[in-house]
Amino acid sequence: ELKVEQNPLFLSMQEGKNYTIYCNYSTTSDRLYWYRQDPGKSLESLFVLLSNGAVKQEGRLMASLDTKARLSTLHITAAVHDLSATYFCAVTIPMGNNNDMRFGAGTRLTVKP
Amino acid sequence: GAGVSQSPSNKVTEKGKDVELRCDPISGHTALYWYRQSLGQGLEFLIYFQGNSAPDKSGLPSDRFSAERTGGSVSTLTIQRTQQEDSAVYLCASSWSLGGMTTNEKLFFGSGTQLSVL
Repeated sequence: ELKVEQNPLFLSMQEGKNYTIYCNYSTTSDRLYWYRQDPGKSLESLFVLLSNGAVKQEGRLMASLDTKARLSTLHITAAVHDLSATYFCAVTIPMGNNNDMRFGAGTRLTVKP
Repeated sequence: GAGVSQSPSNKVTEKGKDVELRCDPISGHTALYWYRQSLGQGLEFLIYFQGNSAPDKSGLPSDRFSAERTGGSVSTLTIQRTQQEDSAVYLCASSWSLGGMTTNEKLFFGSGTQLSVL
C-alpha cells in the first residue's frame, strides 16, 4: 500500500525565515506534485516534478525530487504572510494503464509578521 | 465551463438518506478523481476513472459508496444510507492522462461539495 508522509504537519514561521517541508513516499514513483490549499478553498497545483533530480522554483518556493530516496522537499525562502496555506504533496501510482494520484496529509503553514 | 464544476456546493441531509454529488470535469480530460477531505485533514482517495478503463474503486470506504462516469464525462458519487461520519468536503478533480512527460499533467480541482449529515 502506498504511503505518502509529510512533515511537519503544522509549521509556524516568522516572516523572513527559511524552512523546508518534507514529503516521503513508500513506493516507486517517478513523478511528484505539490499543491496549495487556502482556507475554505480548493487545491491549486504548484509544481509537477517528473524526474529524479528535478528542481522547480517559483517565487519564494522551490521544490526538488530525489526518486532514489523517495523524497521531495518544498523549500520556503524568506517567508511572507501570503504563503500561509496548507501544502500537499502527491505521487502517482502506475497501475497498468492507470495512474492513480495519492496525497499526503498536508502541512499547514502559518507565517507570522 | 473552463474549470471543474461540482454541485451542489453544500448539502445537508439526514442520517439514513441517500445523496448524489455531481462533477463536471474539464472538457477533454480523460482522468477523473474523487477525494474526501474531513475538517483539517488531508485528502482521502475514493475512486479514479481513466478513459474507458475499469475504475479504481479501492478507496471507497464502504459498499454504501458508489460512483459512475457516464460517457467519459460527468461523474456522480452516490452515498446511500448516509452516516454522520460521511460528513466531509467531497472534491472532484480531472486531468489529462497522467503518464506522459509534460508538466501539464496536474489535477484541476473543483470547489467541492460540503456534505453535512445530521
